[in-house]
Amino acid sequence: GQNIDQPTEMTATEGAIVQINCTYQTSGFNGLFWYQQHAGEAPTFLSYNVLDGLEEKGRFSSFLSRSKGYSYLLLKELQMKDSASYLCAVRNDYKLSFGAGTTVTVRA
Amino acid sequence: GAVVSQHPSWVICKSGTSVKIECRSLDFQATTMFWYRQFPKQSLMLMATSNEGSKATYEQGVEKDKFLINHASLTLSTLTVTSAHPEDSSFYICSAPDRGGDTQYFGPGTRLTVL
Repeated sequence: GQNIDQPTEMTATEGAIVQINCTYQTSGFNGLFWYQQHAGEAPTFLSYNVLDGLEEKGRFSSFLSRSKGYSYLLLKELQMKDSASYLCAVRNDYKLSFGAGTTVTVRA
Repeated sequence: GAVVSQHPSWVICKSGTSVKIECRSLDFQATTMFWYRQFPKQSLMLMATSNEGSKATYEQGVEKDKFLINHASLTLSTLTVTSAHPEDSSFYICSAPDRGGDTQYFGPGTRLTVL
């Protein structure tokens, strides 16, 4: 089975840094994805990790430790437009299994 | 990046009717597409994998006779919700992987409301 856990909600101030953790226990693994989803919209791709380590993409970075079943998404220099839900997803073979999502609220 | 479109964006229908949702890959070919359902404040749940030229693969608990999937071409998959009921009201999203399969591109979603 698939078990993907991430916090339900996080709040941070504009300009700050927020780290969203994701732990997973899945029957198979060949990649971990992070998506951003604004209310009423489809998810948009943020990052992809298949090997251990840190992937940096502008203000967003994602880290993976396969031995620990752990990933985090780091959002730096938060902007109001970053208020959204962030979904952690594990790929097993060709299928994606999603966590419930973390709602991030950015306050001025 | 790759673009996936869905039509319609939203639909309201009466209970007992059927609704067809289209998913198109606009600038790439997709032999495989995925259909998800998302209820309010919940995550995406994979319903089925649509395969061009063959039958769709349904996830456990998803009724294949209720959710008909047809992958008519390399750029089009359709999901038909047959005899829709209020509990089928949800946000339906399709996705297609890029050529390498490393990234899935999502359509904008279809909001279905069954009265």
